Amino acid sequence: EPEVTQTPSHQVTQMGQEVILRCVPISNHLYFYWYRQILGQKVEFLVSFYNNEISEKSEIFDDQFSVERPDGSNFTLKIRSTKLEDSAMYFCASSSPGQVRNFGPGTRLTVT
Amino acid sequence: AQSVSQHNHHVILSEAASLELGCNYSYGGTVNLFWYVQYPGQHLQLLLKYFSGDPLVKGIKGFEAEFIKSKFSFNLRKPSVQWSDTAEYFCAVYNNNDMRFGAGTRLTVKP
Repeated sequence: EPEVTQTPSHQVTQMGQEVILRCVPISNHLYFYWYRQILGQKVEFLVSFYNNEISEKSEIFDDQFSVERPDGSNFTLKIRSTKLEDSAMYFCASSSPGQVRNFGPGTRLTVT
Repeated sequence: AQSVSQHNHHVILSEAASLELGCNYSYGGTVNLFWYVQYPGQHLQLLLKYFSGDPLVKGIKGFEAEFIKSKFSFNLRKPSVQWSDTAEYFCAVYNNNDMRFGAGTRLTVKP
C-alpha cells in the first residue's frame, strides 16, 4: 500500500538556521498538507497546498515558513530562520479530493 | 471556523476496562469525522472514520465510534482495553478541505 514518506526522520539545527523538511506524497494525490505537533501538545494545521499554490494556511504559518513542490514528487516545508519554539514533529499528509488524509511518519525538528 | 473539543486530557484504565473518549465539534454543516491514534514515538494512524450512513462506525483493533448529530459528538469506545492501547488519541473534523484536530487524549492502560 502506498505511503507518505518524509526525510529526514530527525533534524537538529541551530537557532537562526534555515531547514528544509522533505515529503514525498502518495503519487496520485492532489492535496498536500503540513502539520506540526509540539511535544505533548495537539496536532496543529500549518498549510494546505493544491494546484501549485497554498489553498489555506493557519496563523502559525507566518513569513518564516514556505512550501514548495519543486518537482512532480516532492513537497517541502522551509523554515527560514528557526527559533527554539519551532522544535516539534512535523507531519506531511496528502489526499485525493474528499478522501482521508494519509500522514507521513513525521520529521522531528530540534532547534538548539 | 470549526473546532474540536476533547474533554479528557488523560485517562488511566486497567486492562479489560471499558473505554469511552469524548469528542465534540462546533461546526453545524456536513462534516466528516475521524479518530487517529498515535502510539509512543510513532506517527498518526487512522482508527476509523465517518462520512455518512450508519452512525455507528467500526474501526481497527476493536474500536468503534458513534456519531450523534444532535449532540455534535463522535465518541470513541472500546469494550475492553489492552495494555497495547496505550497511546494518544486525536479526534478530527474535516469539512471543505479544512481538517482540525482536537487536543488529544492520552490513554494509559495499566497491565
